[in-house]
Amino acid sequence: DGGITQSPKYLFRKEGQNVTLSCEQNLNHDAMYWYRQDPGQGLRLIYYSQIVNDFQKGDIAEGYSVSREKKESFPLTVTSAQKNPTAFYLCASGQGYQPQHFGDGTRLSIL
Amino acid sequence: GQQLNQSPQSMFIQEGEDVSMNCTSSSIFNTWLWYKQDPGEGPVLLIALYKAGELTSNGRLTAQFGITRKDSFLNISASIPSDVGIYFCAGQLLRGNSGGSNYKLTFGKGTLLTVNP
Repeated sequence: DGGITQSPKYLFRKEGQNVTLSCEQNLNHDAMYWYRQDPGQGLRLIYYSQIVNDFQKGDIAEGYSVSREKKESFPLTVTSAQKNPTAFYLCASGQGYQPQHFGDGTRLSIL
Repeated sequence: GQQLNQSPQSMFIQEGEDVSMNCTSSSIFNTWLWYKQDPGEGPVLLIALYKAGELTSNGRLTAQFGITRKDSFLNISASIPSDVGIYFCAGQLLRGNSGGSNYKLTFGKGTLLTVNP
């Protein structure tokens, strides 16, 4: 089946630790996106990539980093600089003006 | 940046009732999208609207792209328990930049729908 796979489903971070969230898509989409979702909030854009080896900051990029070395993969690293990382993280992909498709998310919590 | 005002924030209805929710924006969009999110899962696309004034149905769901391009509504008729979830609107404005076209979405804060059997 074509789709977007996010892993792990649940992730715990210790203080001062970097963690990486995985996002893989087999839809052959050029663009990929990372969003953060907090309770009662809409989705806020962290980073996006329109093509391999290129990415741009979204609205809340501070404390996060990404890479796009392959078309199908767009990992997100939550660094120790992100002081409030507890949230639900969603990855999406899209092609041109077509609607974005979402993965099932990773819930990150602080130990 | 652009902001979307989505209302209501939450709704509690009886099974069988109709539901209406809407989104308004201070600026125009080229595309309006409506997504539904179940707990612990990612949003799933319900309806996509591409033209001002467009009215589109998907089963019991009907959505419209406002004629001013600054608003959209979603109606659910004859609600059932599985309609429970969070409904998000999203607007897309095509932007050109040095890296090509930009299809970023702006999301509303969602409408939490509860359906009592």
